This record gives sequence, structure tokens and C-alpha cells, in this order.
Amino acid sequence: DTGVSQDPRHKITKRGQNVTFRCDPISEHNRLYWYRQTLGQGPEFLTYFQNEAQLEKSRLLSDRFSAERPKGSFSTLEIQRTEQGDSAMYLCASSRGRETSSQYFGPGTRLLVL
Amino acid sequence: AQRVTQPEKLLSVFKGAPVELKCNYSYSGSPELFWYVQYSRQRLQLLLRHISRESIKGFTADLNKGETSFHLKKPFAQEEDSAMYYCALKAPPKAAGNKLTFGGGTRVLVKP
Repeated sequence: DTGVSQDPRHKITKRGQNVTFRCDPISEHNRLYWYRQTLGQGPEFLTYFQNEAQLEKSRLLSDRFSAERPKGSFSTLEIQRTEQGDSAMYLCASSRGRETSSQYFGPGTRLLVL
Repeated sequence: AQRVTQPEKLLSVFKGAPVELKCNYSYSGSPELFWYVQYSRQRLQLLLRHISRESIKGFTADLNKGETSFHLKKPFAQEEDSAMYYCALKAPPKAAGNKLTFGGGTRVLVKP
């Protein structure tokens, strides 16, 4: 499968714990995006990388959230001191570098904070 | 600010009937519009985009800049069309940001 992959697919954690998610984009894609989707809503943009540079961050991305893409390949999204409101599906997408390229989504990581 | 509205949360139609999913957007410019679909237990996938002006799986969508709408249509719905559909907007190339702004989604149920 050469699509976008995400790990883990599911995560259950207790409030206050830290969690980290990984996204592996399609290999030739240099743009990578993180979105969050809560129940009954469409995905909401969190942040975007072009190669290793984080070029845009949403106001949704509080100080407890940090994303990295150190070598311009895979990316990690860390949530520190999780809160129950962080429970959601976290989606990763990737695209080629051209402005008109479409974004391809991974299967998501479902987070449940107890 | 960019915004996408899908007024219907659920559309239920019989097989063979036409189906139209409404999408209205708010953006001061010429955005790119997309429809994404998510079948049961599958990932979100691109269905079509307005710049391609193509028909995918019998679906078409026309961008109406005057009404700021991008409604999705299919003349004869099939049971396999049952899924969640999301309309999305992206600022045009060279404008700030590459993010997609999604609507809340419309669940389509095609009954036999």
C-alpha cells in the first residue's frame, strides 16, 4: 500500500498523559497536513508542512500541541497533558508540491481521553 | 474568513432516484472547491474537484460563483453511493495557506 499511513490507529489515554502520533506520507509528496475531526463535524485544519518547514498553524493548535517533520518525510503530532476535549480523530494528508495538487488522506488515529 | 456550509446532515433516497447534495461557501475571491467521500470503514478520498470539470462515478458538480455554491449531483443513485460526503474549499494558488476548509458533511443513504 503506497498511500498515507498513520500509527497508531487507535489510542486510549488518561487525562494528563502525553501522546504522540505518527504520519508517513506518500513518498513523493513534500507537503503534509494535519487535521482534527470530532464527531459529527468535518475535518478541521491544524497545521501544514512543506518539506521540514512548518508553514501554517491553526489557532486550534494550542501550546499543548506540537508537530514536527524533521527530515521532510514522516511527521509526528504530540499532545501534552491531554484533556477530554482532545478526543477526536486525527487525520494526516499529503500532497505534491504543486499548488494545484490534491490532498490524499490517511486512515486517521482515533484518540480517546478518559 | 473561509467557510463551507452543507445544510443537510442526512439525505435518504431510493435507488435510481436523483440525489443532490448542497454546498455553499463563503470566500472573498476565487477558491478551489472539492468533494470528498468517505465510505464505511474507509479513509476520506477525493471524489472530484471543480477545476477538473469531470464526472466521477456518475457525480457532477458545478461551481456557481454568483450563488457561491458547489452542489453535487447524480441523476440515478446507487446503493454503493451510500457514504459520508464532504464539500471542501481551498484558497487559490499563491494565496495565503494551503489548508482545506471542510463543511460538516452530508450522510447519504440509498435505499433499495
